Amino acid sequence: DAGVTQSPTHLIKTRGQQVTLRCSPKSGHDTVSWYQQALGQGPQFIFQYYEEEERQRGNFPDRFSGHQFPNYSSELNVNALLLGDSALYLCASSLGDALPNYGYTFGSGTRLTVV
Amino acid sequence: DQQVKQNSPSLSVQEGRISILNCDYTNSMFDYFLWYKKYPAEGPTFLISISSIKDKNEDGRFTVFLNKSAKHLSLHIVPSQPGDSAVYFCAASYNNAGNMLTFGGGTRLMVKP
Repeated sequence: DAGVTQSPTHLIKTRGQQVTLRCSPKSGHDTVSWYQQALGQGPQFIFQYYEEEERQRGNFPDRFSGHQFPNYSSELNVNALLLGDSALYLCASSLGDALPNYGYTFGSGTRLTVV
Repeated sequence: DQQVKQNSPSLSVQEGRISILNCDYTNSMFDYFLWYKKYPAEGPTFLISISSIKDKNEDGRFTVFLNKSAKHLSLHIVPSQPGDSAVYFCAASYNNAGNMLTFGGGTRLMVKP
């Protein structure tokens, strides 16, 4: 049973560019949340998608946008990249409104470096 | 404004002894608390949780204590094993926020053989 799959694992982008990160949730899960983890810090909630809509959003600018597809997979898009966007981006999947400990599964993340 | 804080960035413990990891929070609306463990190059994995209606939850070698009046929780690992060496994150959520988690900055635990 595959867990949460994220791609790519690493990438390097230039300041001002745009990037798309991808996430396939664990089989049976329908909700995808995205987190940003800067070096030496804990993950910070970006947004959550359910039924192809953004259900909740953290304190991130509009440069961060997302999408959820009918198969529950999700994309995170970041426009006009800044050096400060360099971080590990984590995707987590869950089933509906399940409490975080019930099947809230994280992927291994995408390491984004902005130069 | 950091709503969940882990003030010790690192902790070193001898194998077999107790590891105590601490976490403080400021938002009184938090009603559910979790601990996650993270190894390098892997995503965080759920360890143990506690609801605000309880003050203790135990799962094998792991026990979480919650002191609501002090807005403090701690994770006890007894006995500590070298395989427990990882970064531990405290996280909190509240009902109105669905399952959005607010994380602390993490504590790196090193268990020496």
